Amino acid sequence: EVQLVESGGGLVQPGGSLRLSCAASGFAFSSHAITWLRQAPGKGLEWVSGISGSGGSTYYADSVKGRFTISRHNSKNTLYLQMNSLRAEDTAVYYCAKDPTTTTTGYFDDWGQGTLVIVSS
Amino acid sequence: DIVMTQSPDSLAVSLGERATINCKSSQSVLYSSNNKNPLAWYQQKPGQPPKLLIYWASTRESGVPDRFSGSGSGTDFTLTISSLQAEDVAVYYCQHYYSNPITFGQGTRLEIK
Repeated sequence: EVQLVESGGGLVQPGGSLRLSCAASGFAFSSHAITWLRQAPGKGLEWVSGISGSGGSTYYADSVKGRFTISRHNSKNTLYLQMNSLRAEDTAVYYCAKDPTTTTTGYFDDWGQGTLVIVSS
Repeated sequence: DIVMTQSPDSLAVSLGERATINCKSSQSVLYSSNNKNPLAWYQQKPGQPPKLLIYWASTRESGVPDRFSGSGSGTDFTLTISSLQAEDVAVYYCQHYYSNPITFGQGTRLEIK
């Protein structure tokens, strides 16, 4: 059974940093691109960042480019999102989601339960 | 960026009746190379992550009931639930993956009438 478990969310002040993790199991982790998406409270879905199976290709939404860094440790079956210079508008539930292929085809067949990030003073 | 617009924003349908949700993209998302439309549909129930229903506009994900179907091409797409069940109450999202950035529709809330 595929499992994606996010952690690392919490309350952080504007301008602060946070690192999210996504622990994966039940599939060949390095064979799949993985993506971070987010959902602000009561709002719709927003793509944040994606990374290929090898980690050699990364992609970012303009809203987070230069502030967030996606990475993966394939031997630990773990995905990360380093978030710096956080803003109030980054407040959301952050999901990691699995792409069915190695490269980022762009649809997501398995999702984690999400971790809540609140940026507030 | 490609803007995805869903209609209606909310929908109330009687049990056993058909539910239709529309999704329009601001530009064509048809891949001319393989004649496929990179368009997915998701279902999200309260307190849960989204669940993939349909990809490539009309391919049903494994395990999804066959009352769910997707259609359309180019800029206009439709998710149809042929006979609404109580467990289908949810918010439904369309999403293109034609190019980065991937974008989603605003969501359609489906309720029982």
